[in-house]
Amino acid sequence: QVQLVESGGGVVQPGGSLRLSCAASGIPFSTENMHWVRQTPGKGLEWLAVISYDGSTKYYGDNMKGRITISRDNSKSTLYLQMNSLRAEDTAVYYCAKALGGMYYFDYWGQGTLVTVSS
Amino acid sequence: EIVLTQSPATLSVSPGERATLSCRASESVRNSLGWYQQKPGQAPRLLIYDTSSRATGIPARFSGSGSGTDFTLTISSLEPEDFALYYCQQRFTWPRVTFGQGTRLEIK
Repeated sequence: QVQLVESGGGVVQPGGSLRLSCAASGIPFSTENMHWVRQTPGKGLEWLAVISYDGSTKYYGDNMKGRITISRDNSKSTLYLQMNSLRAEDTAVYYCAKALGGMYYFDYWGQGTLVTVSS
Repeated sequence: EIVLTQSPATLSVSPGERATLSCRASESVRNSLGWYQQKPGQAPRLLIYDTSSRATGIPARFSGSGSGTDFTLTISSLEPEDFALYYCQQRFTWPRVTFGQGTRLEIK
């Protein structure tokens, strides 16, 4: 069955950096566009970024644009999110997700990894 | 950015009754709207896409309708496991999709 497993969350100080990972199994990872979505108590669900199946195309939302980089390693079936210059308002659960048939509805999600930005 | 406004914020309904949840878009999204269910400690689960198509494995008691700016998720006869948070999401402005703020469906 499909499994997306995030890791790399934790507590980081304001201004710090963190890299999240998402290990995929049960899907043809190298043929799937992959996304990051976060959920905060204040703003709810926010789409962050997408990367094409081959890594050649990336789009970012405005919320963290310039501070995040999405990447992937198809040989490891793993998706990444590098986050820099973190702020308190970036405290959230971060999910990786696969979209349904490329339609930008998310039919598979990881369990999420909690990032807490605090001094 | 298209803003999705869900109403009500909390809906209290008895098991076996019908629940109707609303989602209004700040501008037309045509039929490019989906619905998710989320339970505590879990990721969202896709229920409905493109207004009225049920995702794989979703029971027939879940249905969606609407177009343009006004959309509805209807749960025809509530089961105990249906009490949860529900979110709408538009994909009209892909890749920059947006979500509503959610409706909490609670047991009356």
